[in-house]
Amino acid sequence: KAGVTQTPRYLIKTRGQQVTLSCSPISGHRSVSWYQQTPGQGLQFLFEYFSETQRNKGNFPGRFSGRQFSNSRSEMNVSTLELGDSALYLCASSLVGRVGTEAFFGQGTRLTVV
Amino acid sequence: DAKTTQPTSMDCAEGRAANLPCNHSTISGNEYVYWYRQIHSQGPQYIIHGLKNNETNEMASLIITEDRKSSTLILPHATLRDTAVYYCIVRVSPRYSGAGSYQLTFGKGTKLSVIP
Repeated sequence: KAGVTQTPRYLIKTRGQQVTLSCSPISGHRSVSWYQQTPGQGLQFLFEYFSETQRNKGNFPGRFSGRQFSNSRSEMNVSTLELGDSALYLCASSLVGRVGTEAFFGQGTRLTVV
Repeated sequence: DAKTTQPTSMDCAEGRAANLPCNHSTISGNEYVYWYRQIHSQGPQYIIHGLKNNETNEMASLIITEDRKSSTLILPHATLRDTAVYYCIVRVSPRYSGAGSYQLTFGKGTKLSVIP
């Protein structure tokens, strides 16, 4: 069974540009969450999608957005990149409908803003 | 979700049991205890979770005190590959029909170093 796949693995962008990251969840998983990890702030929740709808959002500016497609694949977009957006972006998928279900994480996309 | 307190770091000799404590004194009745670990620069890996009974799987054991205010993750025979940051997370479990959030709130975790 394939795990959570995130693409690309590494990315370098310039301040002011925008970026789109992709996440393919485990087959059958309909919930996809995104997290940002930086040395200073640790792992922080960005947002969660289920059935193409955003169900929950963390405390991030509107420059961070996402969407989910009918096949459960998800993308997140960051517009007007700032140096502080340099981070490891992680995607996690979960199987909905099971009590106590766990989240499975991808390997992440390492974004560097220069 | 309830907050958790974990030691910043711990050392364990290779082959010995690693016991990682977690305090969650404000846990409520419908909150589960989850453990994840993150090996350097990789995505977090699910280890185990429990509600009130002790749990064991192929990776670890989870011991939850009777009052549920603390728990211990036990890696029975630590290897060098177990060196990682271990996160204890307390949260309400998502229920059927997709209701509820799948958000995980990570603290600083415990950096476990397994020493040869």
